[in-house]
Amino acid sequence: QQPVQSPQAVILREGEDAVINCSSSKALYSVHWYRQKHGEAPVFLMILLKGGEQKGHDKISASFNEKKQQSSLYLTASQLSYSGTYFCGTGVNRDDKIIFGKGTRLHILP
Amino acid sequence: DTEVTQTPKHLVMGMTNKKSLKCEQHMGHRAMYWYKQKAKKPPELMFVYSYEKLSINESVPSRFSPECPNSSLLNLHLHALQPEDSALYLCASSQDRFGQGYQPQHFGDGTRLSIL
Repeated sequence: QQPVQSPQAVILREGEDAVINCSSSKALYSVHWYRQKHGEAPVFLMILLKGGEQKGHDKISASFNEKKQQSSLYLTASQLSYSGTYFCGTGVNRDDKIIFGKGTRLHILP
Repeated sequence: DTEVTQTPKHLVMGMTNKKSLKCEQHMGHRAMYWYKQKAKKPPELMFVYSYEKLSINESVPSRFSPECPNSSLLNLHLHALQPEDSALYLCASSQDRFGQGYQPQHFGDGTRLSIL
């Protein structure tokens, strides 16, 4: 079942923070985050596994609340390069395929 | 530049044509994927190959025929496509099929396919 992402779109000024949410009606094993710029391939950001993880690198981090079956992606002090569409993908077990949410379009203004 | 290479980048074909899309990776990955992506939509899984064997077919119409000649190559053969098949076709790879749930996927830039 497709995860639900919110918001659908965000417009920010450079330096502002953003939070993108991903929720599922099913118990999750993993949550994957990807960013896709217009006309380019999706690029892997991070994977979070059940157990209640939090990960991050540089100014992009994410959390996974297993009990609530949801994950959040945090973009701190956003840069112009952060613009793009962010997809979460969820898996219900380690062998399962990943199903992507509809995406969140992020546009950063200078 | 991505480590997964797809050719051609663009393809225009008629509904009666036969063409093939090609995908290549040299990262030693043993799982390879075909996705279809329509504009402003997420990638939709079509096929998964694991160790050169087809492991997932998401009920894709038979006018799409995948092939995995070896661990580095993945083809998608196209025949008698419909206008609604126009889309971006993405190839991806990951370390192995067993553990899709926690393996990152590396995507190619895709082939933009237009059916006339």
